[in-house]
Amino acid sequence: QKEVEQNSGPLSVPEGAIASLNCTYSDRVSQSFFWYRQYSGKSPELIMSIYSNGDKEDGRFTAQLNKASQYVSLLIRDSQPSDSATYLCASSGGYQKVTFGTGTKLQVIP
Amino acid sequence: AAGVIQSPRHLIKEKRETATLKCYPIPRHDTVYWYQQGPGQDPQFLISFYEKMQSDKGSIPDRFSAQQFSDYHSELNMSSLELGDSALYFCASSLGLEGTYEQYFGPGTRLTVT
Repeated sequence: QKEVEQNSGPLSVPEGAIASLNCTYSDRVSQSFFWYRQYSGKSPELIMSIYSNGDKEDGRFTAQLNKASQYVSLLIRDSQPSDSATYLCASSGGYQKVTFGTGTKLQVIP
Repeated sequence: AAGVIQSPRHLIKEKRETATLKCYPIPRHDTVYWYQQGPGQDPQFLISFYEKMQSDKGSIPDRFSAQQFSDYHSELNMSSLELGDSALYFCASSLGLEGTYEQYFGPGTRLTVT
């Protein structure tokens, strides 16, 4: 079992809809959680980081963290075709390595 | 804003050859990480350095070695290359103990072993 689990998708949503991406983690010592967006052949781009329970909003993106349930999610409002990419959920215990999930491929249909 | 710089961007080597990948972190970042990403896979952590000392080690083959220099740039040395080493190699940097540990990735080096 991977430390960080994601549904590989693809997740298809129509343009303008809300995309909901989910992630669970198994290591209870994880303190930091990240969402990266990766286009094919490109490097991961940090979208959101979240460290405490609750919601964190940044523009069209909202990250949610529930440490009791070991669950992290990313909501993308008003999805655009340019949001089509693979979204990687990641966790870290601090200065240590970031452990990535296998990623969820998002397709936004125009 | 300055980003992580990696060189070269593309590298073609033959089996059993040696390759050296370079990484220049974001200014003031004190921690460097190396990742390997095969086609359709998530990035796999190889090794990290904090203040020029190895801080963590992942699934790095014994044929590979790395170090961080006094100017904080890092090099990944890969010897006796195998076909399976063909992959994207990413370097990431972060601001360690006084920061948020958010890792910012460079554009990557695409290594092809023939």
